[in-house]
Amino acid sequence: QKEVEQDPGPLSVPEGAIVSLNCTYSNSAFQYFMWYRQYSRKGPELLMYTYSSGNKEDGRFTAQVDKSSKYISLFIRDSQPSDSATYLCAMSGTGGGNKLTFGTGTQLKVEL
Amino acid sequence: GAVVSQHPSRVICKSGTSVKIECRSLDFQATTMFWYRQFPKQSLMLMATSNEGSKATYEQGVEKDKFLINHASLTLSTLTVTSAHPEDSSFYICSAKGGGAANEKLFFGSGTQLSVL
Repeated sequence: QKEVEQDPGPLSVPEGAIVSLNCTYSNSAFQYFMWYRQYSRKGPELLMYTYSSGNKEDGRFTAQVDKSSKYISLFIRDSQPSDSATYLCAMSGTGGGNKLTFGTGTQLKVEL
Repeated sequence: GAVVSQHPSRVICKSGTSVKIECRSLDFQATTMFWYRQFPKQSLMLMATSNEGSKATYEQGVEKDKFLINHASLTLSTLTVTSAHPEDSSFYICSAKGGGAANEKLFFGSGTQLSVL
């Protein structure tokens, strides 16, 4: 079993839809949770960073962490074609700047 | 935000040659940088952790003699793929730890697509 599980998709939604992306994990030591966006053949870009359980909102993006269920989510409101990318969850037990364990990424396509 | 520059973005080389990839933190000092490898439609796999002024720490299964890492300054780390073979063809990405002691995050370079013929 992988430490971090993420549905690879692809996930296709119409423009304006609310997108829900999720990861589950097995290592209870993880405390720092991140979502990265990666466009094709580019490096990942940090979108959201949260510590421990709870919600965090930034513009159209909301990150949720439920440590009791070992489940994290990223919601994208009013999705745009420019949101089409691969979204990677990542987590660490020792800080967001240290060794990260990544999910496989979910490929998202937002269609006009 | 912090910027990490990586180049070249793409390199094609013949089997048996060596290729050097550079990773620079442009507006911050990075005592620690990480090197990842990514195959198509797969996640990032950590290859090694590079610490300025000391030897790199390699992940299990990564050949340290094949993937030479040098972190000679606080803003530059290099990865050299020695005697490259077609199976080394992959997307290599570096990242640097930044954001300050209370807000550490990883910032990624734009990646290098290596194709070995």
